[in-house]
Amino acid sequence: AQSVSQHNHHVILSEAASLELGCNYSYGGTVNLFWYVQYPGQHLQLLLKYFSGDPLVKGIKGFEAEFIKSKFSFNLRKPSVQWSDTAEYFCAVFPSGTYKYIFGTGTRLKVLA
Amino acid sequence: GAVVSQHPSRVICKSGTSVKIECRSLDFQATTMFWYRQFPKQSLMLMATSNEGSKATYEQGVEKDKFLINHASLTLSTLTVTSAHPEDSSFYICSASGWPGGSGANVLTFGAGSRLTVL
Repeated sequence: AQSVSQHNHHVILSEAASLELGCNYSYGGTVNLFWYVQYPGQHLQLLLKYFSGDPLVKGIKGFEAEFIKSKFSFNLRKPSVQWSDTAEYFCAVFPSGTYKYIFGTGTRLKVLA
Repeated sequence: GAVVSQHPSRVICKSGTSVKIECRSLDFQATTMFWYRQFPKQSLMLMATSNEGSKATYEQGVEKDKFLINHASLTLSTLTVTSAHPEDSSFYICSASGWPGGSGANVLTFGAGSRLTVL
């Protein structure tokens, strides 16, 4: 069955630290890949997406993610986190030819000021 | 940008009653809307996919007679939890696929969610 794994469930970092959140999926075909973010008390918002082309995609607020097809991964990165990045981050996969997204279990990031 | 409005944000009801949750796309036409359920510390579980003017497609294990979904227009989908029980207490989130002008296909715009508590 198709699935998305986010290995880090809780991450605590100090401000200015670098961030990398892992995301791996299981699907052999073409996929669209997404990272969504949910700030405290707010709804899910799109952070960045990959459809095709350059596997390194840049999103809002300095985030980027790299699609490595051979590793079935789409890890999220940010060189220097801020306190305002405290949120829950969800990786999502939209397999081509299907009608639905598959979400990972989410990673709660807490950034200490 | 695209906005999805979900109402109510919180609802408390007695066991056995029915609750309706509305999901509206405010500035774009959403041909497809998705309904999710989110359990504490777990991911979003897709309940059903609704397409405007047709019957919803339910995921395995989701009771279609308990969770009635209607998508009567391109901007409105509703989820009705019928004969609610305490185990139906959860956070329900809708999302819509689409974007103003037709670009950004397959990008989801989420509602703020509805927290249902069944006493």
